[in-house]
Amino acid sequence: DTGVSQNPRHKITKRGQNVTFRCDPISEHNRLYWYRQTLGQGPEFLTYFQNEAQLEKSRLLSDRFSAERPKGSFSTLEIQRTEQGDSAMYLCASSSFSGIFYNEQFFGPGTRLTVL
Amino acid sequence: AQTVTQSQPEMSVQEAETVTLSCTYDTSENNYYLFWYKQPPSRQMILVIRQEAYKQQNATENRFSVNFQKAAKSFSLKISDSQLGDTAMYFCAFMPYSQKLVFGQGTRLTINP
Repeated sequence: DTGVSQNPRHKITKRGQNVTFRCDPISEHNRLYWYRQTLGQGPEFLTYFQNEAQLEKSRLLSDRFSAERPKGSFSTLEIQRTEQGDSAMYLCASSSFSGIFYNEQFFGPGTRLTVL
Repeated sequence: AQTVTQSQPEMSVQEAETVTLSCTYDTSENNYYLFWYKQPPSRQMILVIRQEAYKQQNATENRFSVNFQKAAKSFSLKISDSQLGDTAMYFCAFMPYSQKLVFGQGTRLTINP
């Protein structure tokens, strides 16, 4: 088990382009979370999945953002028509949710997006 | 809404000294978890220590300990015998039952040789 992985690690794009990030959680973790971290700030929750179902989306997630988790394994986060304000680190975390209160979230290294 | 506030943007101490990072939070929930995460430069976030709100005893993990004051909604982290490898951003985080972590703004800690 190599932990949570994210690809690409860095992405530079021009304003108006579409970008897609991928997150591979720890195998058999049924929960997957996306957070966004802007420079000098703590991460903010974006959305999360339990298996393939997207259970909640933050109001931070505008219509230009879409996330999927087909088959309940890896997840993708797509941003359409990128804006400079989308520049941030996008973090993925996974956990094994068993219905009890606490389930540790393990974080990936993040994808740093720069929109020019 | 739940909020987490870290009032110290940066801190710097000498190696082997003890340092305390502050955190306050706001919630109307009675049961929750609190965490301190460490984010080294260009590396992923790792969990340092956690505290269950219904436990009065403060959590301890080796050189790391917390001072949890539930009534005051305060959750500070003490690092004893600080080491160069402790240099990192430290985030205080709150977890309600929904499991959605709420993070503070972070404290950049530098340990000087």
